[in-house]
Amino acid sequence: GAVVSQHPSWVICKSGTSVKIECRSLDFQATTMFWYRQFPKQSLMLMATSNEGSKATYEQGVEKDKFLINHASLTLSTLTVTSAHPEDSSFYICSARTAKVIYEQYFGPGTRLTVT
Amino acid sequence: AQSVSQHNHHVILSEAASLELGCNYSYGGTVNLFWYVQYPGQHLQLLLKYFSGDPLVKGIKGFEAEFIKSKFSFNLRKPSVQWSDTAEYFCAVNARTTGAGSYQLTFGKGTKLSVIP
Repeated sequence: GAVVSQHPSWVICKSGTSVKIECRSLDFQATTMFWYRQFPKQSLMLMATSNEGSKATYEQGVEKDKFLINHASLTLSTLTVTSAHPEDSSFYICSARTAKVIYEQYFGPGTRLTVT
Repeated sequence: AQSVSQHNHHVILSEAASLELGCNYSYGGTVNLFWYVQYPGQHLQLLLKYFSGDPLVKGIKGFEAEFIKSKFSFNLRKPSVQWSDTAEYFCAVNARTTGAGSYQLTFGKGTKLSVIP
């Protein structure tokens, strides 16, 4: 149980275009989802937290107009990188938790974004 | 704000050697502790977790970790490493941001383990 999927697993896009990444909880309802970013050889940095049906809360330094997060249902959250630039190239990882077990998160496999 | 420190950036061991990776956190309240592993080119996987009870927790692949509250530590151990243990290891702490606030998961910077056959 507690499986989180992400799609796509990797994507290459041209500078200036937008990319949408999906995060789904497959066998549980995710009341809260998290988006992380991981640069090569570095740790995971929290970008934003989203609760189903509410606006996402962004961490300091994360541009909310650039990284659009939508958590429209209890099983789906999306991250849209708008007007992507090469410096946005990174590994994006989502995680999800339920209302019942609020101190454990279940991680997705990540999405590798390369902006050329 | 809570923080997590992993003392070793890169550890190199020969196969069959014993492993101990350090993890210390700074938070005075109740914490939930995790160790994750990320194999080269792969996604994050949970190795083990501690919520309460026996401070010595056993995880997958022969790993274990000991929670020492007085030292704010949660060190990861394995008695005999294998080449397949080569990976990046992350310690993480989940705790309330304030007394009644929401839970936030904070990661350490990671320790790269290289096991030489």
